[in-house]
Amino acid sequence: EDQVTQSPEALRLQEGESSSLNCSYTVSGLRGLFWYRQDPGKGPEFLFTLYSAGEEKEKERLKATLTKKESFLHITAPKPEDSATYLCAVRYHTGNQFYFGTGTSLTVIP
Amino acid sequence: DAGVIQSPRHEVTEMGQEVTLRCKPISGHNSLFWYRQTMMRGLELLIYFNNNVPIDDSGMPEDRFSAKMPNASFSTLKIQPSEPRDSAVYFCASTRTGAAETQYFGPGTRLLVL
Repeated sequence: EDQVTQSPEALRLQEGESSSLNCSYTVSGLRGLFWYRQDPGKGPEFLFTLYSAGEEKEKERLKATLTKKESFLHITAPKPEDSATYLCAVRYHTGNQFYFGTGTSLTVIP
Repeated sequence: DAGVIQSPRHEVTEMGQEVTLRCKPISGHNSLFWYRQTMMRGLELLIYFNNNVPIDDSGMPEDRFSAKMPNASFSTLKIQPSEPRDSAVYFCASTRTGAAETQYFGPGTRLLVL
């Protein structure tokens, strides 16, 4: 059973067209939920950590939110440079592992 | 801080050869993770260390894979013998156990086994 599910797998947006990416997790006892950005040929780059339901974090055009079963990464008025794969990972109170989703590939068209 | 350092960045080898990947975690971080990333399977955890001790190696594909962490500033992932299906990008990541626990990734080693 997958621990983390991300949707959609791929998303194409026009520049300025806002949207949201979803990350859902299946196990209770969340220790932290992490969002990463990965550009082609590079390692994942840390964006946000969320710890409890109701928490929100913002950085430029990105805002991450967390509920009891899922997280959303909202992208407001995206630009072509926001094109990347966005990965979600969760960590539970039991164990030290990070469980990664398969990512959402975002393309922003000028 | 220099971040997580991995070497080599690219490796091309022939089937049957031994491959050694290296990682230097961020200074002060006490947990180190090795991942493999492919298009088909995404990011897979191979093994992780806490305070230089292997905690969970259940993701290591088979006995051909081994990992060591002789000290807090160095780790290796070895594949012997290598096979074409081992071709992937291998990432090392480190974190410091504590409140933030954010995991930081290296640039990866792109491995191609012919």
